[in-house]
Amino acid sequence: DAKTTQPPSMDCAEGRAANLPCNHSTISGNEYVYWYRQIHSQGPQYIIHGLKNNETNEMASLIITEDRKSSTLILPHATLRDTAVYYCIVRARPLAETSGSRLTFGEGTQLTVNP
Amino acid sequence: DADVTQTPRNRITKTGKRIMLECSQTKGHDRMYWYRQDPGLGLRLIYYSFDVKDINKGEISDGYSVSRQAQAKFSLSLESAIPNQTALYFCATSPNWRDQSYNEQFFGPGTRLTVL
Repeated sequence: DAKTTQPPSMDCAEGRAANLPCNHSTISGNEYVYWYRQIHSQGPQYIIHGLKNNETNEMASLIITEDRKSSTLILPHATLRDTAVYYCIVRARPLAETSGSRLTFGEGTQLTVNP
Repeated sequence: DADVTQTPRNRITKTGKRIMLECSQTKGHDRMYWYRQDPGLGLRLIYYSFDVKDINKGEISDGYSVSRQAQAKFSLSLESAIPNQTALYFCATSPNWRDQSYNEQFFGPGTRLTVL
């Protein structure tokens, strides 16, 4: 699985958009970009994933550059409850029943949403 | 009710003791995982299981063992606990690759283990 690089911390004002960058310059063609977050000492929570097209769901948007070497997770209207560590993970899609579906977590970005 | 539960939520034990952490799920998922998290670090995979008959070592399996008693239950054991196994332990589940939501892993609330 490709390695990812994220800033260790970011701040955002409540109600504003939070844009969290991730660099994955060694990503290969069959690897997806996943985002999870972990609110203090709770279990991680899945947010979104994508391959090459931009994706949006009820929680966030994922923007992947055309060369796929970097991506940005966007929380459009950050709230205090969005304060968490955000993990960007690159992983190949499991192609068969016996393929692994493990996630490799790095150190992530601590996002602090300020009132 | 939570879909993935872990017991105990907190445990303090002494060096050399045998400890079992339990995980149960009501999601009907085939795949289950055990991770540990140390302060300021991401999660590291200890063991994972694709079904009741399948057990696989993760990155840091030394000092740990697991048992998959049923589809819904996956236990982690520390045969002889040592202080550097003090950590936050998470269980997770995921559906198999044919399920539309196979990309997601669903995590339990965690067990905080302290080995003195």
